[in-house]
This record gives sequence, C-alpha cells and structure tokens, in this order.
Amino acid sequence: DGGITQSPKYLFRKEGQNVTLSCEQNLNHDAMYWYRQDPGQGLRLIYYSQIVNDFQKGDIAEGYSVSREKKESFPLTVTSAQKNPTAFYLCASSISVGTGELFFGEGSRLTVL
Amino acid sequence: GENVEQHPSTLSVQEGDSAVIKCTYSDSASNYFPWYKQELGKGPQLIIDIRSNVGEKKDQRIAVTLNKTAKHFSLHITETQPEDSAVYFCAASSMEYGNKLVFGAGTILRVKS
Repeated sequence: DGGITQSPKYLFRKEGQNVTLSCEQNLNHDAMYWYRQDPGQGLRLIYYSQIVNDFQKGDIAEGYSVSREKKESFPLTVTSAQKNPTAFYLCASSISVGTGELFFGEGSRLTVL
Repeated sequence: GENVEQHPSTLSVQEGDSAVIKCTYSDSASNYFPWYKQELGKGPQLIIDIRSNVGEKKDQRIAVTLNKTAKHFSLHITETQPEDSAVYFCAASSMEYGNKLVFGAGTILRVKS
C-alpha cells in the first residue's frame, strides 16, 4: 500500500541528546514536510522540501535539521538546541508544494525526560 | 503572512445533530481551503476542500462554505455519528506564502450517543 511511514512511534530522550525521526514515502511525491503539533496550536511547519537535495525552513525551524538525499526519505533531527522538544511530530508529502492534498504519516511522539 | 483562526476549540453534539466549525483567514490572496480530520493516534486526513472560485461544496454528510468577502469558511457535518468524533483542522494557502498551508488550531468534536 502507498503511504507515509514514520518511526519510531514513541521516543524518549534525555536532555542534551540529539534524536532523529524517520519519514519514508512510497507515493512518488516530490514535496515533503515536517510539522510539529502541540495542544491548542494546530500544525506548525518546521521544514519542507520541494525536491531532492533541497529544503527550506518553515515557521519554527530553530533547533531542528533535515536532509533530503533520496526522494523517498526526509529525516528530521531534533537537536539539543531545541528548547522545548516534547511534542507530536508529523511528516507529510504532496505531489509538489502547493498542489492540493497533503498525505500524513501517523506521527512520532517525542518526550524529553 | 497568513493567519488562520478556528472556532470553537471544542464542540459536543448529540448523535444525529449537526456540527459547524468556523475559520477566518487574514490573507485575501488565499485561494485553497482544505479541512483535515485527525483521529486519535493518527495523522490528519483530508476530508473536503474548496477553492476560491467556488462558494460551496458538498460530499455526503459534509459540506464546506466559503465567504471570500468576509474571509471565512465553515465545515458543516449533518447527521453526526460517533465515528465523526475527532479533531478537525482547517487550513488556507496563498501564493504569497508559497502555496504552503497555514493551519487553524483545531476543533475537538465529540459526538455523544
């Protein structure tokens, strides 16, 4: 089945550690996105990528980094510089930026202990 | 930039009643308005969308209306069922924001049986 796969579903991290969240898609979409979801704040865009080897900062990129070495993969690293990393992270893809439907993964919940 | 406000933040209805969720947007250049449904522990999924050249769109029990003059759009769910219980997000995109989606804060809908 085509879709977006995120892993891990749950992740615990100690303060000061970097952690990488995986996102893979087999929809052959060019565009991929990372959103952060906090209660009462909707979905906020962290980074997005329009094509392989290219990515752009979203609204809340500080403390995060991404790479797009393959079309199918868009991993997100939450660095120790992120002040409040505990959140639900959603990866999404679309045919291209600005063309209609976003397809979301099931999310990764990160808890910093 | 674009700002999307969504009301109410929570909504409880009796099974069989109608539910209405409203969103306002700030950028008059916005031209695409999707609604996403997020069930517990899952990623959001597109349920209906509307473009700025259309005033209303229906799909079975759900409908979306758009008032471009007032810059607001609404989701209407008729004959609600328990499986409609979820978090609903509205969003808007405009060319001035690179066609990326800006999401509302979400509405928790509870359908009581």
